[in-house]
This record gives sequence, structure tokens and C-alpha cells, in this order.
Amino acid sequence: NAGVTQTPKFQVLKTGQSMTLQCAQDMNHNSMYWYRQDPGMGLRLIYYSASEGTTDKGEVPNGYNVSRLNKREFSLRLESAAPSQTSVYFCASSENRERYGYTFGSGTRLTVV
Amino acid sequence: AQTVTQSQPEMSVQEAETVTLSCTYDTSESDYYLFWYKQPPSRQMILVIRQEAYKQQNATENRFSVNFQKAAKSFSLKISDSQLGDAAMYFCASNEKLTFGTGTRLTIIP
Repeated sequence: NAGVTQTPKFQVLKTGQSMTLQCAQDMNHNSMYWYRQDPGMGLRLIYYSASEGTTDKGEVPNGYNVSRLNKREFSLRLESAAPSQTSVYFCASSENRERYGYTFGSGTRLTVV
Repeated sequence: AQTVTQSQPEMSVQEAETVTLSCTYDTSESDYYLFWYKQPPSRQMILVIRQEAYKQQNATENRFSVNFQKAAKSFSLKISDSQLGDAAMYFCASNEKLTFGTGTRLTIIP
């Protein structure tokens, strides 16, 4: 099925550990995004990539890095996980200046203990 | 930058009744798009309806419609004939970096 695929769906990390969240889309979208969702705060943009080869910071980039590996893939890396990074992470993609909204992955629930 | 505000953290409605979820936004853009997303317990984000700011006509998708007041920067979602499957978090959003509101949890009372 066409769409956005995120892996893993669930992850528990210890403080200080690192991990990479993977995201791939097969809709030939130019733009890709990483959001985090926390209770009472909606979705907040971490990083985005307007096109292959470019990345930009969003509202809450501290503690994260991203890589736009190719047009299909956009990964999010936590170098040294902290409990404050416990959240649900969503990857999304869009085309054409987001006129048609975003297609979201199913999310990754990350717990840092 | 755009901001999106949802002032109703929770709403409830009787099954088959109508409910309206509120959203206000702030933007300096002249050309923009607004969206309502639904997030059921499955966590999946589902696009419910979109509105193009330059269009006067309010968008409608089956039982879902919007009341778009451009001058007031208001973008409310009306759900008619509410069904149990409508129970979810609803997020208002704009297309500038797809800024989201904080969401409204909608409960359907059987």
C-alpha cells in the first residue's frame, strides 16, 4: 500500500543510548517531516526536508539530527536519549507546498527510562 | 509564523447530534490552506477536510463541514449526525510548516 512507513512502532531506551527512527515514503513527495506528539501540546515540528539534499530545523530540534538519505527516506536520530524525549514520533510527507495536507506514518512510541 | 489555537480541550456530543469544534489561527500569509485532522485511538492521523483560504465557499465532506471566517481568522469544524466512530482527537492545522493546534478530544455519548 502506498504511504509513509515508519519503523519501529515501539521502542524503549535507556538514558544516554542512541537510536535512529526510520521513515520511507513511496508517493514521490518532495517534502518530509518529523514531528513529536506530547499530551496537551499537539504535534510539534522537529525537522523537515523541503527536498532531497536539504534539511531545516523546526520548532524543537535540540537533541535530534536528521538525514535525508534520498527522496524516499528521512531518518531521525537521537544521539543521547533523555527522558524528555519520551514521546510519540510521526514522520510525514507532502507535495506541492503542502496544499493537500500531509500523509502521516503510523507513529513510533518512544520511552526513555 | 502561523499559530493555531484550539480552545476546547474536550467536547462531547450525543450520538446523531451535531457538534462544532473551534479553531482560530494567525497568519501574515495571503495564500494558505487549513486542515482538520482526526486521530482515533489507533494513533493514525487522518485528513478530514481542507480549506483553501482564497475560496469563499466553505468546504464540505459528507457529514463534515467547516465554517471559515477569513476576516476573523476562524476555522471551525462541524460534524453532523455524530457517530460512535467519530470519537477521536481532532487537530486543526495550517500549511505553513503544518502548524498544529493542541487538539480537541471528542467523545460520542451513545
